[in-house]
Amino acid sequence: GENVEQHPSTLSVQEGDSAVIKCTYSDSASNYFPWYKQELGKGPQLIIDIRSNVGEKKDQRIAVTLNKTAKHFSLHITETQPEDSAVYFCAATSGTYKYIFGTGTRLKVLA
Amino acid sequence: SAVISQKPSRDICQRGTSLTIQCQVDSQVTMMFWYRQQPGQSLTLIATANQGSEATYESGFVIDKFPISRPNLTFSTLTVSNMSPEDSSIYLCSVEDRKTGGPDEQFFGPGTRLTVL
Repeated sequence: GENVEQHPSTLSVQEGDSAVIKCTYSDSASNYFPWYKQELGKGPQLIIDIRSNVGEKKDQRIAVTLNKTAKHFSLHITETQPEDSAVYFCAATSGTYKYIFGTGTRLKVLA
Repeated sequence: SAVISQKPSRDICQRGTSLTIQCQVDSQVTMMFWYRQQPGQSLTLIATANQGSEATYESGFVIDKFPISRPNLTFSTLTVSNMSPEDSSIYLCSVEDRKTGGPDEQFFGPGTRLTVL
């Protein structure tokens, strides 16, 4: 069945460094890829997304890249700050409402 | 984006009882969903709450255990019935305001943290 693999499961970086989280999807029909940030005790917050007709999207310190051939997409956070510490989830969907979520990455930004 | 609220924010319940969780959105939305997030895990879709008709359940979830109502375009409830400790999870409401022919952004509520003793 459809599957989204996410790596790494945990990631520690020094403040100011960059962080990269990678996801691989199995359904070649997937065409929408959102990323969510979940802080402790809160619901997931949509931080950036990308559709299959583009290869890269940026929003200030965060960017997402998509490689449709390899079926993987990545989240890039530059100049990390302590408030970036959270669990990040990727997801993929093939044009329906049903999202397939990755297993999550716990990011710790060390001051 | 839509503002979503959930009640209660957390609860501790005894096994065998039921809990109804409410989800309220500040605007009319096309699609409303209920997810479960077990401790330290990812998100799993329970069902789609359909306005004016029965909810559509995903594999592994049944109406008798998770009855859902959606009386209008801004409100839905999820009931967790006959609870056991395995039902201890975060239950999340999400909405999608479908404007295009393809997928649109889904936004999540703050969640309801349920502990079953």
